Amino acid sequence: QTVVTQEPSLSVSPGGTVTLTCDLNSGSVSTANFPSWYRQTPGQTPRILIYDAYRRVPGVPDRFSGSILGNKAALTITGAQADDECDYYCVLCLSSAIWVIGGGTKLTVL
Amino acid sequence: QLQLVQSGAEVKNPGASVKVSCEASGYTFTEHYLHWVRQAPGQGLEWVGWIHPKKGDTRYAQKFQGRVSLTRDTSVDTAYLELRMLTSDDTAIYYCARQLGISSLWELWGRGTLVTVSS
Repeated sequence: QTVVTQEPSLSVSPGGTVTLTCDLNSGSVSTANFPSWYRQTPGQTPRILIYDAYRRVPGVPDRFSGSILGNKAALTITGAQADDECDYYCVLCLSSAIWVIGGGTKLTVL
Repeated sequence: QLQLVQSGAEVKNPGASVKVSCEASGYTFTEHYLHWVRQAPGQGLEWVGWIHPKKGDTRYAQKFQGRVSLTRDTSVDTAYLELRMLTSDDTAIYYCARQLGISSLWELWGRGTLVTVSS
């Protein structure tokens, strides 16, 4: 069974930089997995930040950036702000057109 | 107006089935994949499957194979998720989300439908 692993929780200081990662137990993550990243606050619908590994959705602040780091997808927040505190999910597409969502990272800004 | 409007909350008994709808407006329904994602209370997101409304092609997460059906009615621009043999573990908010083109851009989401399974 394919599993996507994210850090369960991370913390960052206001103004700091943090990188969230997205790992695939069946192999390396690449652009062929079309990595995307979502943020979700309690009671709200998920909102997409990054798609196709590094494309930022219009309107998303440029402090959010996506990349492939080694064999993982990554979301880097540079200059973290208080309202970046929420849950972040990565989504990957597998070769069989099956999609998988990571377990999410709870980001704390303190 | 560009939106996905989902049906209202449901309460079902264990063993029953539920059918959730997702009505698209503001775009050509048959041109984009629609995904279904669920979220149990206090838990993360879970991908259920997708349907392409043009021909009705579908893919399901292995976990739901045999128990879920994704269908669509192009005459009313509506997609449906039917989940059978419900258990309490199926209690969740079910979302539909549009995929834009051949990409991972799921930029349009419904507000979600709460399905509660309880005796």
